[in-house]
Amino acid sequence: GENVEQHPSTLSVQEGDSAVIKCTYSDSASNYFPWYKQELGKGPQLIIDIRSNVGEKKDQRIAVTLNKTAKHFSLHITETQPEDSAVYFCAASIEYSSASKIIFGSGTRLSIRP
Amino acid sequence: ETGVTQSPTHLIKTRGQQVTLRCSSQSGHNTVSWYQQALGQGPQFIFQYYREEENGRGNFPPRFSGLQFPNYSSELNVNALELDDSALYLCASQNRDYYNEQFFGPGTRLTVL
Repeated sequence: GENVEQHPSTLSVQEGDSAVIKCTYSDSASNYFPWYKQELGKGPQLIIDIRSNVGEKKDQRIAVTLNKTAKHFSLHITETQPEDSAVYFCAASIEYSSASKIIFGSGTRLSIRP
Repeated sequence: ETGVTQSPTHLIKTRGQQVTLRCSSQSGHNTVSWYQQALGQGPQFIFQYYREEENGRGNFPPRFSGLQFPNYSSELNVNALELDDSALYLCASQNRDYYNEQFFGPGTRLTVL
């Protein structure tokens, strides 16, 4: 069935360094890949997304890359700051299908060391 | 903030009881999806309602049911609660006529004793 694998499960980086989270998906029909940030006691917040017709997208310190052939996609956060500490989820979806359900990865707990 | 609200924020029930969780979608959105998030895991899709009709369902038993109202708010009902139903229940709203982005509410934390 549909599956999204995410790693690492925990990641600790020095403030100012970069963080990379990697995911793979199983359903080749997936064409929409959102990334969510979840802080304690809150729901997931969409931080960036990418569609299968592009290979890379950037928004300030955050970038996502997508390799459709390998079914890999990654999140890159540069110049990390303390407020980046949270749990990050990658996800995959089939846009414009009958039900636009999102399949989530298992999450990465990112800690930024001062 | 996304404009998606959920109530109640916390709930404690005992095994066998029934529960109803509520979600108000963001203005302009016609679709609500419900997800179950167990501790330390990613959210899992329960079902989706589009214009008051169930529009897709994940691997959850029939004792998980829902409704969507004409104002596009939604309810999730769970009958015959089991201990494993303890989780954070999230709803997400979108206008899927135009785009696929889903915006999540803060969730309802359900504890089953």
